[in-house]
Order: sequence, then C-alpha cells, then structure tokens
Amino acid sequence: KQEVTQIPAALSVPEGENLVLNCSFTDSAIYNLQWFRQDPGKGLTSLLLIQSSQREQTSGRLNASLDKSSGRSTLYIAASQPGDSATYLCAAYNYGQNFVFGPGTRLSVLP
Amino acid sequence: EAQVTQNPRYLITVTGKKLTVTCSQNMNHEYMSWYRQDPGLGLRQIYYSMNVEVTDKGDVPEGYKVSRKEKRNFPLILESPSPNQTSLYFCASSFRLAGTNTGELFFGEGSRLTVL
Repeated sequence: KQEVTQIPAALSVPEGENLVLNCSFTDSAIYNLQWFRQDPGKGLTSLLLIQSSQREQTSGRLNASLDKSSGRSTLYIAASQPGDSATYLCAAYNYGQNFVFGPGTRLSVLP
Repeated sequence: EAQVTQNPRYLITVTGKKLTVTCSQNMNHEYMSWYRQDPGLGLRQIYYSMNVEVTDKGDVPEGYKVSRKEKRNFPLILESPSPNQTSLYFCASSFRLAGTNTGELFFGEGSRLTVL
C-alpha cells in the first residue's frame, strides 16, 4: 500500500529565499503526483501535476520534479514571498488504487 | 467556471440529528471522493466513487453513507452524527484515469462541521 511522507513538517524562511519541499513515496509505480497548496481553513488548490512519464513541471516560480526510482518529488519555490505562506501537500496516485496524501509542510515566509 | 461546490460551508448540529453535505461538480468527472481533515491526522478518505452507482469505502467510512445517483452529485450523509465527526470535510473530483486523462484532482472549498 502506498505511503507518502513529507519533510520538513514545518519551514520558516525569510522573504526572497529559494526553498525546496520534499515528498517521498514508497510505491514507485505511480500514475501521477500532484502538489497542492492549502491556506488555513480553506480548500486545496492544485499547483502542479507530474505524470509518471515526466521528470518535471513548471508554473511561474514553482518547479516540481519527480524521480520515481528513488521515490521522491520536490517542489522548488523561487524567490519566496509572504503570500507563499501556506501548507503544501503532495498526493500520489497509483493506477487501480487511490490518491494517497502526505501530511503536508507548513511554510512561513517572513517579510 | 470549472468547480466543485459543497454545501453547507459551515454547520453546527447536535448528536443524532441526520444531516447531508452536498457536493456537485460541473466538469463531467467520473471520479468523486470525500475526505475529512483533522489536526495532526491529515487528509483521510471517507468514501469514493468511480462512476454513477459505483461507490467504495475509503480509510474511515464508519458513520457515513454516500450515494451516486447522478454523475455530477455525490452527497455525504451522516445518519446519526456524533462529536467525533466534528471535522473539516472536502469533496474532490477527477476524470477517471484512462487514456490521456491526467487525473488532476479538484477540491471543493470545504465544509466545517461541528457536532455538539
């Protein structure tokens, strides 16, 4: 059964810093991996989705990579801003199974 | 606008009083799912549906019921709510994973339920 972990659980950085959030999964036969952002008490907003055949996806200051062989995905945020403060979750999907979410990384970007 | 809509967004109720949380999507998605989110426990799946009239239990189905009579709607039913069902609930939908579908998952805004 797929298990997804995220490190660190919480991260605090000064504004302008580049940062990396990590997502690890145990079953490398994934169909896709998706990154979400969640503001306190709000819904999940999809940021990036990486198909199993892809190595990375980019959207603005965000770049997500996928390494199936090592069971890892990273979300890179460039030039962080206070508005990036939120919880970031990753979710892995294995065909025939279900979406499995990580516990999230709570990010604080200090002005 | 493509969206997943949940109602009510906020609800306070009492133990044992049946309630339904509605979920509707306008993207013609086959797959729909309900999650609950609790501090320290993350997102946990309650039920999911791969298509009309097809539903399956997730990780925490006890105390909940669902139905999928129409493609766009997937209501969550609490027949006899208890305080341990106080939580933030999310509905999500996606195209069924086949062919070139990406499987992107879309979430509703959430429904905060308090059971006294």
